[in-house]
Amino acid sequence: NAGVTQTPKFRVLKTGQSMTLLCAQDMNHEYMYWYRQDPGMGLRLIHYSVGEGTTAKGEVPDGYNVSRLKKQNFLLGLESAAPSQTSVYFCASSPRQGYSGNTIYFGEGSWLTVV
Amino acid sequence: QKEVEQDPGPLSVPEGAIVSLNCTYSNSAFQYFMWYRQYSRKGPELLMYTYSSGNKEDGRFTAQVDKSSKYISLFIRDSQPSDSATYLCAWRGIQGGSEKLVFGKGTKLTVNP
Repeated sequence: NAGVTQTPKFRVLKTGQSMTLLCAQDMNHEYMYWYRQDPGMGLRLIHYSVGEGTTAKGEVPDGYNVSRLKKQNFLLGLESAAPSQTSVYFCASSPRQGYSGNTIYFGEGSWLTVV
Repeated sequence: QKEVEQDPGPLSVPEGAIVSLNCTYSNSAFQYFMWYRQYSRKGPELLMYTYSSGNKEDGRFTAQVDKSSKYISLFIRDSQPSDSATYLCAWRGIQGGSEKLVFGKGTKLTVNP
């Protein structure tokens, strides 16, 4: 079972470049999330989706866009990368609240450096 | 008042010690409580979850929830070097018709052999 898969795992970008992080889950989960994790800041929610075709802003959405065209995929885009976006990015998925123990599953992370 | 407070540590204990990790929260809408473990350079993985006050045991791990005090704890008995990781508390609930999911900032634990 793959669970939640993120690609790429590592990437170095130059300031101003664009890129897309791909998240795929094979558990038929309704909800998907993108977090960033920085030292001393914990996990901060960037955007999330409660179903195919829907997206919503989280705590730190500026500079990022997302799309959920298929239930199993959740894409995070950086249109013009900035050094402040250097971070570890985690994708997560979960069933709707109240189902299957409310377990939230995380991917292994994507390390992004913007120089 | 912050929605969730978690002591960041770091916490360093000898092998075999009992470890107590704690979080407090302020939002009564939180219904489900979880503990995640995160090894260095890995994604968080679920350790335990509960939705009621009281204790829940799973092997060497016990999750304790006190909804009246808005306080949750994770106890690790007979701690092992392999328990060295960052532990995150988390809450999930419905507020204003929308789901809310909040993580603590994590407590870094080192168990020394």
